[in-house]
Amino acid sequence: EDKVVQSPLSLVVHEGDTVTLNCSYEVTNFRSLLWYKQEKKAPTFLFMLTSSGIEKKSGRLSSILDKKELFSILNITATQTGDSAVYLCAVSPGGGADGLTFGKGTHLIIQP
Amino acid sequence: DTGVSQDPRHKITKRGQNVTFRCDPISEHNRLYWYRQTLGQGPEFLTYFQNEAQLEKSRLLSDRFSAERPKGSFSTLEIQRTEQGDSAMYLCASSQLEKQFFGPGTRLTVL
Repeated sequence: EDKVVQSPLSLVVHEGDTVTLNCSYEVTNFRSLLWYKQEKKAPTFLFMLTSSGIEKKSGRLSSILDKKELFSILNITATQTGDSAVYLCAVSPGGGADGLTFGKGTHLIIQP
Repeated sequence: DTGVSQDPRHKITKRGQNVTFRCDPISEHNRLYWYRQTLGQGPEFLTYFQNEAQLEKSRLLSDRFSAERPKGSFSTLEIQRTEQGDSAMYLCASSQLEKQFFGPGTRLTVL
Protein backbone atom coordinates (compact mmCIF):
# COMPACT_ATOMS: atom_id res chain seq x y z
CA GLU A 1 0.00 0.00 0.00
CA ASP A 2 1.28 3.45 -0.94
CA LYS A 3 2.35 5.56 2.02
CA VAL A 4 3.30 9.21 2.52
CA VAL A 5 4.66 10.23 5.92
CA GLN A 6 5.09 13.82 6.99
CA SER A 7 7.05 15.13 9.95
CA PRO A 8 6.68 16.82 12.25
CA LEU A 9 2.89 16.56 12.57
CA SER A 10 2.80 19.92 14.31
CA LEU A 11 5.26 22.74 14.79
CA VAL A 12 5.12 26.04 16.66
CA VAL A 13 7.72 28.71 15.88
CA HIS A 14 8.10 32.45 16.20
CA GLU A 15 7.69 34.93 13.39
CA GLY A 16 10.94 35.31 11.49
CA ASP A 17 12.13 31.77 12.12
CA THR A 18 13.00 29.37 9.31
CA VAL A 19 11.19 26.02 9.20
CA THR A 20 11.81 22.76 7.35
CA LEU A 21 8.95 20.34 6.77
CA ASN A 22 9.66 16.75 5.80
CA CYS A 23 7.87 14.28 3.55
CA SER A 24 8.93 10.70 2.88
CA TYR A 25 7.13 8.26 0.64
CA GLU A 26 6.87 4.59 -0.25
CA VAL A 27 4.87 4.06 -3.40
CA THR A 28 4.66 1.44 -6.10
CA ASN A 29 4.76 3.98 -8.92
CA PHE A 30 6.03 7.56 -8.76
CA ARG A 31 5.46 10.38 -11.20
CA SER A 32 5.60 13.54 -9.10
CA LEU A 33 5.39 14.94 -5.59
CA LEU A 34 3.17 17.90 -4.79
CA TRP A 35 2.98 20.31 -1.85
CA TYR A 36 -0.23 22.07 -0.86
CA LYS A 37 -1.14 24.64 1.81
CA GLN A 38 -4.49 24.25 3.59
CA GLU A 39 -6.00 27.00 5.73
CA LYS A 40 -9.37 25.69 6.98
CA LYS A 41 -10.55 25.33 3.40
CA ALA A 42 -9.42 23.77 0.13
CA PRO A 43 -5.76 22.88 -0.33
CA THR A 44 -3.97 25.44 -2.50
CA PHE A 45 -1.15 24.33 -4.78
CA LEU A 46 2.43 25.27 -3.89
CA PHE A 47 4.90 23.10 -5.82
CA MET A 48 5.14 20.07 -8.06
CA LEU A 49 8.46 18.21 -8.15
CA THR A 50 9.41 15.53 -10.63
CA SER A 51 13.21 15.56 -10.77
CA SER A 52 15.74 15.02 -8.01
CA GLY A 53 17.96 17.83 -6.84
CA ILE A 54 16.21 20.69 -8.63
CA GLU A 55 14.99 23.27 -6.16
CA LYS A 56 11.66 24.95 -6.79
CA LYS A 57 11.30 28.39 -5.28
CA SER A 58 8.46 30.83 -4.77
CA GLY A 59 9.21 33.84 -2.62
CA ARG A 60 10.12 32.62 0.86
CA LEU A 61 9.11 29.04 0.09
CA SER A 62 11.31 26.45 -1.55
CA SER A 63 11.22 22.70 -2.01
CA ILE A 64 13.47 19.94 -3.25
CA LEU A 65 13.04 16.26 -4.03
CA ASP A 66 15.41 13.32 -3.49
CA LYS A 67 14.15 10.37 -5.53
CA LYS A 68 16.94 8.09 -4.37
CA GLU A 69 16.16 8.53 -0.67
CA LEU A 70 12.42 8.98 -1.36
CA PHE A 71 11.83 12.24 0.43
CA SER A 72 11.17 15.91 -0.07
CA ILE A 73 11.52 18.99 2.11
CA LEU A 74 9.63 22.25 2.13
CA ASN A 75 11.49 25.26 3.53
CA ILE A 76 9.90 28.49 4.64
CA THR A 77 12.25 31.35 5.55
CA ALA A 78 11.44 34.50 7.51
CA THR A 79 8.08 33.02 8.54
CA GLN A 80 5.03 35.26 8.94
CA THR A 81 1.77 34.69 10.81
CA GLY A 82 0.06 34.22 7.45
CA ASP A 83 2.16 31.10 6.92
CA SER A 84 0.17 29.38 9.68
CA ALA A 85 -1.60 26.46 7.99
CA VAL A 86 -1.51 22.74 7.41
CA TYR A 87 1.06 21.81 4.77
CA LEU A 88 0.19 18.68 2.83
CA CYS A 89 2.52 16.51 0.82
CA ALA A 90 1.08 14.22 -1.88
CA VAL A 91 2.44 11.76 -4.40
CA SER A 92 1.07 11.28 -7.90
CA PRO A 93 1.55 7.63 -8.82
CA GLY A 94 1.46 7.55 -12.59
CA GLY A 95 1.30 4.12 -14.16
CA GLY A 96 -2.26 4.70 -15.28
CA ALA A 97 -3.41 5.82 -11.82
CA ASP A 98 -4.04 9.45 -11.08
CA GLY A 99 -5.39 9.78 -7.55
CA LEU A 100 -3.00 11.55 -5.20
CA THR A 101 -1.85 9.84 -1.99
CA PHE A 102 -1.57 12.45 0.76
CA GLY A 103 0.27 12.51 4.06
CA LYS A 104 -1.48 13.64 7.24
CA GLY A 105 0.03 17.09 6.95
CA THR A 106 2.18 19.29 9.16
CA HIS A 107 0.22 21.80 11.24
CA LEU A 108 2.42 24.89 11.36
CA ILE A 109 1.68 27.69 13.81
CA ILE A 110 3.61 30.95 13.60
CA GLN A 111 3.49 33.00 16.80
CA PRO A 112 3.95 36.78 16.59
CA ASP B 1 -10.07 31.05 -14.31
CA THR B 2 -13.09 30.88 -12.03
CA GLY B 3 -11.76 27.98 -10.01
CA VAL B 4 -13.41 24.75 -8.92
CA SER B 5 -16.81 25.22 -7.30
CA GLN B 6 -18.80 22.84 -5.13
CA ASP B 7 -22.37 22.84 -3.95
CA PRO B 8 -23.61 22.74 -1.27
CA ARG B 9 -20.87 23.94 1.03
CA HIS B 10 -22.47 22.33 4.06
CA LYS B 11 -24.95 19.50 4.38
CA ILE B 12 -26.51 18.09 7.54
CA THR B 13 -28.53 14.93 7.15
CA LYS B 14 -29.96 12.13 9.21
CA ARG B 15 -28.53 8.65 9.10
CA GLY B 16 -30.11 6.60 6.35
CA GLN B 17 -30.86 9.54 4.04
CA ASN B 18 -29.34 9.96 0.58
CA VAL B 19 -27.25 13.00 -0.28
CA THR B 20 -25.86 14.35 -3.54
CA PHE B 21 -23.03 16.81 -4.03
CA ARG B 22 -22.09 18.71 -7.16
CA CYS B 23 -18.69 19.80 -8.46
CA ASP B 24 -18.02 22.21 -11.33
CA PRO B 25 -14.39 21.97 -12.47
CA ILE B 26 -12.23 24.62 -14.10
CA SER B 27 -13.71 24.82 -17.59
CA GLU B 28 -10.76 23.61 -19.67
CA HIS B 29 -9.85 20.76 -17.30
CA ASN B 30 -10.74 17.29 -18.57
CA ARG B 31 -9.80 15.46 -15.35
CA LEU B 32 -11.94 15.53 -12.23
CA TYR B 33 -11.28 13.92 -8.85
CA TRP B 34 -13.21 13.32 -5.63
CA TYR B 35 -11.49 13.08 -2.24
CA ARG B 36 -12.69 12.74 1.33
CA GLN B 37 -10.98 14.43 4.27
CA THR B 38 -11.60 13.84 7.96
CA LEU B 39 -10.25 15.89 10.85
CA GLY B 40 -6.49 15.62 11.27
CA GLN B 41 -6.02 13.60 8.10
CA GLY B 42 -4.93 14.39 4.59
CA PRO B 43 -7.44 14.01 1.76
CA GLU B 44 -8.13 10.41 0.70
CA PHE B 45 -8.70 9.65 -2.95
CA LEU B 46 -12.15 8.31 -3.89
CA THR B 47 -12.51 8.38 -7.67
CA TYR B 48 -11.30 10.00 -10.89
CA PHE B 49 -12.84 10.92 -14.26
CA GLN B 50 -11.22 11.75 -17.53
CA ASN B 51 -13.92 13.53 -19.50
CA GLU B 52 -17.05 11.43 -18.86
CA ALA B 53 -15.22 8.15 -18.21
CA GLN B 54 -14.70 7.03 -14.62
CA LEU B 55 -11.19 5.57 -14.83
CA GLU B 56 -10.25 4.85 -11.24
CA LYS B 57 -12.08 4.01 -8.01
CA SER B 58 -10.58 3.64 -4.56
CA ARG B 59 -11.40 0.75 -2.25
CA LEU B 60 -12.85 3.46 0.00
CA LEU B 61 -15.69 3.92 -2.47
CA SER B 62 -18.24 1.48 -1.09
CA ASP B 63 -21.36 0.36 -2.95
CA ARG B 64 -23.29 3.18 -1.29
CA PHE B 65 -21.21 5.75 -3.16
CA SER B 66 -21.71 6.57 -6.82
CA ALA B 67 -20.21 9.30 -8.94
CA GLU B 68 -21.09 10.52 -12.40
CA ARG B 69 -19.83 13.01 -14.90
CA PRO B 70 -22.42 12.66 -17.65
CA LYS B 71 -21.25 15.25 -20.16
CA GLY B 72 -17.63 15.51 -19.16
CA SER B 73 -18.21 18.81 -17.38
CA PHE B 74 -19.74 18.90 -13.87
CA SER B 75 -19.79 15.83 -11.64
CA THR B 76 -22.08 14.54 -8.90
CA LEU B 77 -21.24 12.33 -5.94
CA GLU B 78 -24.16 10.52 -4.32
CA ILE B 79 -24.06 8.73 -1.00
CA GLN B 80 -26.99 6.41 -0.31
CA ARG B 81 -28.14 5.35 3.14
CA THR B 82 -25.69 7.66 4.88
CA GLU B 83 -23.91 6.49 8.01
CA GLN B 84 -22.29 8.56 10.76
CA GLY B 85 -18.89 7.43 9.51
CA ASP B 86 -19.59 9.28 6.25
CA SER B 87 -19.26 12.61 8.08
CA ALA B 88 -16.32 14.34 6.42
CA MET B 89 -15.28 17.08 4.03
CA TYR B 90 -15.77 15.99 0.42
CA LEU B 91 -13.30 17.72 -1.87
CA CYS B 92 -13.39 17.94 -5.63
CA ALA B 93 -10.33 18.73 -7.73
CA SER B 94 -9.70 19.20 -11.43
CA SER B 95 -6.65 19.21 -13.66
CA GLN B 96 -5.42 19.13 -17.20
CA LEU B 97 -2.22 17.29 -16.29
CA GLU B 98 -0.84 16.41 -12.88
CA LYS B 99 -1.35 19.68 -11.03
CA GLN B 100 -4.72 19.31 -9.28
CA PHE B 101 -6.71 22.36 -8.18
CA PHE B 102 -9.17 21.90 -5.35
CA GLY B 103 -12.61 23.30 -4.72
CA PRO B 104 -13.82 24.61 -1.32
CA GLY B 105 -15.37 21.28 -0.38
CA THR B 106 -18.75 20.12 0.92
CA ARG B 107 -18.82 19.46 4.65
CA LEU B 108 -21.20 16.57 5.40
CA THR B 109 -22.51 15.94 8.89
CA VAL B 110 -24.56 12.79 9.43
CA LEU B 111 -26.60 12.84 12.63
